[in-house]
Amino acid sequence: DVVMTQSPLYLPVTLGQPASISCRSSQTFVYADGNTYLNWVQLRPGQSPRRLIYKVSNRDSGVPDRFSGSGSGTDFTLRISRVEAEDVGFYYCMQATHWPPWTFGQGTKVEIK
Amino acid sequence: EVQLLESGGHWVQPGGSLRLSCAASGFDFSFYGMSWVRQAPGKGLEWVSIISESGGTTYYADSVKGRFTISRDNSRNMLYLQMNSLRAEDTAMYYCAFDFWGQGTLVTVSS
Repeated sequence: DVVMTQSPLYLPVTLGQPASISCRSSQTFVYADGNTYLNWVQLRPGQSPRRLIYKVSNRDSGVPDRFSGSGSGTDFTLRISRVEAEDVGFYYCMQATHWPPWTFGQGTKVEIK
Repeated sequence: EVQLLESGGHWVQPGGSLRLSCAASGFDFSFYGMSWVRQAPGKGLEWVSIISESGGTTYYADSVKGRFTISRDNSRNMLYLQMNSLRAEDTAMYYCAFDFWGQGTLVTVSS
């Protein structure tokens, strides 16, 4: 299975400041179609999980443009350009190329300082 | 608007059974493979099972293989998870998901 490792696991941030979460995989995972199926999923308190980013850098519909994804190979990053209060929650990277299974990172808890 | 509405979560004793359901709307259900993902209390996300668009192909996490069965009814836009021989470690919020996620249904296995 592809192991996904996130850092940091806890990220205290100041409102209006940028934030960054790293995700490293144990191997590359490019599908036969040339795509890397690396997603970022947000879990906010009391809300359904929501996919923010798919295929490394594509923002889902309705996701604020302060969220961006980047990376290649085994190193990927989720960036929030200016953190807002509603961004508090957990963020998970996940790979959906070499499945089964889908595999997830451990999750990063984002809190406001 | 895409909606996934899970139901069927409940308290059950170890060794018991439950059937989870997920009602899908707002998209062409029969075009998408569907998964179940769970989150145990204080833990991260764990993929449980996936079913192909037609229902003809299924896969399971090793932790549930032989005990859980995923199925779907494309005529009713429904996804199911039959859970047998439940264990305490199956206690979790269970989500149905593809590109979108439902709100989850809570399964508690305890004596």
